[in-house]
Amino acid sequence: AQSVTQLDSHVSVSEGTPVLLRCNYSSSYSPSLFWYVQHPNKGLQLLLKYTSAATLVKGINGFEAEFKKSETSFHLTKPSAHMSDAAEYFCVVSDRFGNEKLTFGTGTRLTIIP
Amino acid sequence: SAVISQKPSRDICQRGTSLTIQCQVDSQVTMMFWYRQQPGQSLTLIATANQGSEATYESGFVIDKFPISRPNLTFSTLTVSNMSPEDSSIYLCSVPHRLGYGYTFGSGTRLTVV
Repeated sequence: AQSVTQLDSHVSVSEGTPVLLRCNYSSSYSPSLFWYVQHPNKGLQLLLKYTSAATLVKGINGFEAEFKKSETSFHLTKPSAHMSDAAEYFCVVSDRFGNEKLTFGTGTRLTIIP
Repeated sequence: SAVISQKPSRDICQRGTSLTIQCQVDSQVTMMFWYRQQPGQSLTLIATANQGSEATYESGFVIDKFPISRPNLTFSTLTVSNMSPEDSSIYLCSVPHRLGYGYTFGSGTRLTVV
């Protein structure tokens, strides 16, 4: 069984300050982990993915995430927030061993304060 | 990544009727997934559709309510049957990325049942 917990339903940061969106996972096997972003009335866009290569994963738009097995975490960060980052972010886990189903977290709504 | 054409993009339907959603992929894929995103919620997997076999439904979803067709490796349909206002959601299809880098999602079908 696999699950993912996004620790914050809503995060607000000022433009130009760092962003931290927290995610903890649970998986019976070595997981694949993803972060997706959903802008209002838009489709889902993949930000980045972890699949057991480098533990620090760099994604698009300056985002990155670090896989920490000891903490079962996969937090998403960005050094400096931009107004265009305002969106809903989903942490997602997939069991890589014969099961490609995705399990989504409940989402974190990121608000950027001008 | 694969390109998915999903239609309709939105519809308003009367309760008791049915709506069929189509997803066309620009490449052959073995597995296609159908998700539901209820208002303000995360995504929930409805079923996995493999070509040539019956779809596999997740707990809480049944074939009579959400029949799925998968006639070939590039196309699938999801029907929402005997609709009620509780079925108002965004429905999305998804396929694994051809290079194994994440999953690609259709743009979604926003369904409102009145």
